[in-house]
Amino acid sequence: DIVMTQTPLSSPVTLGQPASISCRSSESLVHSDGDTYLSWFQQRPGQPPRLLIYKISKRFSGVPDRFSGSGAGADFTLKISRVEAEDVGVYYCMQGTQFPRTFGQGTKLEIK
Amino acid sequence: EVQLVESGGGLVQPGGSLRLSCAASGFTFSTYTMNWVRQAPGKGLEWVSCISSSSSTIYYADSVKGRFTISRDNAKNSLFLQMNSLRAEDTAVYYCARRLDDWGQGTLVTVSS
Repeated sequence: DIVMTQTPLSSPVTLGQPASISCRSSESLVHSDGDTYLSWFQQRPGQPPRLLIYKISKRFSGVPDRFSGSGAGADFTLKISRVEAEDVGVYYCMQGTQFPRTFGQGTKLEIK
Repeated sequence: EVQLVESGGGLVQPGGSLRLSCAASGFTFSTYTMNWVRQAPGKGLEWVSCISSSSSTIYYADSVKGRFTISRDNAKNSLFLQMNSLRAEDTAVYYCARRLDDWGQGTLVTVSS
């Protein structure tokens, strides 16, 4: 199985400041079709997960443009350009290249 | 608007069975791959299973293979998860998800004596 490793596991951030979360996979996520199936999810307290980013950098419908994804191969990053109070929660990366789908451990974003 | 509503969770004894349902609306259910993902209390996300639109392709996590069965009824816009031989470690909120784009609110399964 592909192992997804996120860093940091906790990220205290000041409102209005940027935040960055790293996700590394144990092997390349490039699919045989040429696409890379790396997604990012946000889970606010008491809520189900919400898809933010798919295929490394594509924002899902309704996701603010302060969220961006980047990376390639086995090394990926989620960036929030200016953190807002509603961004508090846990962020997960997930690979969709192979079965079983696997998630990172989660990164808790909190406000300083 | 996409709506996914899970039901069927509850308290069950170890070794028991439970059948989860997910009622879908707001989209053409029969054209989408559907997933079950679970989250143990205070823990991260664990993908459980997925089923293709026509039920021709099914995958399971190793942790549930042989015990859980995913199925769907496209005529009734419904997704199911039959869970047998339940263990304490299966205790979790179970989410139904359209692909992994849209998620339901989840249903809690507690396995305990």
